[in-house]
Amino acid sequence: EVQLVESGGGLVQPGGSLRLSCAASGFTFSSHWMSWVRQAPGKGLEWVGNIKQDGSEKYYVDSVKGRFTISRDNAKNSLYLQMNSLRAEDTAVYYCTRDSSSLFDYWGQGTLVTVSS
Amino acid sequence: DIVMTQTPLSLSVTPGQPASISCKSSQSLLHSDGKTFLYWYLQKPGQPPQLLIYEVSNRFSGVPDRFSGSGSGTDFTLKISRVEAEDVGIYYCMQSIQLPRTFGQGTKVEIK
Repeated sequence: EVQLVESGGGLVQPGGSLRLSCAASGFTFSSHWMSWVRQAPGKGLEWVGNIKQDGSEKYYVDSVKGRFTISRDNAKNSLYLQMNSLRAEDTAVYYCTRDSSSLFDYWGQGTLVTVSS
Repeated sequence: DIVMTQTPLSLSVTPGQPASISCKSSQSLLHSDGKTFLYWYLQKPGQPPQLLIYEVSNRFSGVPDRFSGSGSGTDFTLKISRVEAEDVGIYYCMQSIQLPRTFGQGTKVEIK
């Protein structure tokens, strides 16, 4: 059974940093692109970015470029999202998703990030 | 960025009745390889989104056959032939022909 479990969310002040993790199991992690998708409270879905199987390619939505970094550790079956210079508008539930041939077929339960003073 | 526009934004349906959601993209989602990169997701209350339909009309594993997708180019439709109570939630269309992947605003489906 495919499982994606996010962790690392919490309350952070504007300008602060946070690192999210996603533990994957039930599939060959190293064979799949992975993505992060976020959802602000009461709002719709926004793709944040993705990373290739070997980490050699990464893409981001413009609103997080230069502030967020996606990485992975295939030996640990883990995906990460390093978030720096956080803003109030980054407040959201962050979902880890398996990115299979341009579709998100499995999602984690999400982790809430709140940026507030 | 490709803009995805869904209508209606909310829908109240009597159980057993059909429902239909439209999604229009600002650019064609037809790739040169013949695939059309349009997907439908359902987010049930308190849950992460789940994939319903991929490449316009293909139901994902385990999705009931009362869900169907159609369309081409820039105009797409999700239909539920007979709505059941478990179908409540927010439906999103998404494109992945171009980065960034973009979603529609969502259509909230409620039961009357």
